[in-house]
Amino acid sequence: AQSVTQPDIHITVSEGASLELRCNYSYGATPYLFWYVQSPGQGLQLLLKYFSGDTLVQGIKGFEAEFKRSQSSFNLRKPSVHWSDAAEYFCAVGVGGTALIFGKGTTLSVSS
Amino acid sequence: SAVISQKPSRDICQRGTSLTIQCQVDSQVTMMFWYRQQPGQSLTLIATANQGSEATYESGFVIDKFPISRPNLTFSTLTVSNMSPEDSSIYLCSVGLAGGHETQYFGPGTRLLVL
Repeated sequence: AQSVTQPDIHITVSEGASLELRCNYSYGATPYLFWYVQSPGQGLQLLLKYFSGDTLVQGIKGFEAEFKRSQSSFNLRKPSVHWSDAAEYFCAVGVGGTALIFGKGTTLSVSS
Repeated sequence: SAVISQKPSRDICQRGTSLTIQCQVDSQVTMMFWYRQQPGQSLTLIATANQGSEATYESGFVIDKFPISRPNLTFSTLTVSNMSPEDSSIYLCSVGLAGGHETQYFGPGTRLLVL
């Protein structure tokens, strides 16, 4: 069965520091992978997605993610975090034509 | 992408009552999904609502509790019936946009509190 694991429930990063949020998935074939962000009181916004091709994908707001098949991972990175990045981040896996399976999310706090 | 709106944005309801949540999309889409996000939790799929067919419910969700309508390609409703405090959650609709690969875009959510 498909599953997504986000090992870190809560991460605190200093403003200006780099960020990496971890995501591991379980799926028999090559999945479609997504990262979403949810700011307090808001819906989910798509940050980036991976379907095929280049394993390093660029997203909005300066985020990028790297697909590593050997590690079944799709970690999200940002070189310099801004206070406005504080939010909940969800990794998700999907198969074309079906709904998404979400991880439990990682809460990012940004300290000044 | 797609612009998705939901009504109401939030509501406080009494137990035993029902609430219907509306989801409107600015373009025609085949696939729509309804998710529940319980407090402090991740998203769980309730059902898939494709126009022209009956909604498909996930394990643990039944039509009597969460009836769904999908009258056309831009609109859907989810009803939360006979509510209890355990139904207090955020309910989100999403749409799947094709183009070789489906990417889902989410509405802003409906925040429901049941007393």
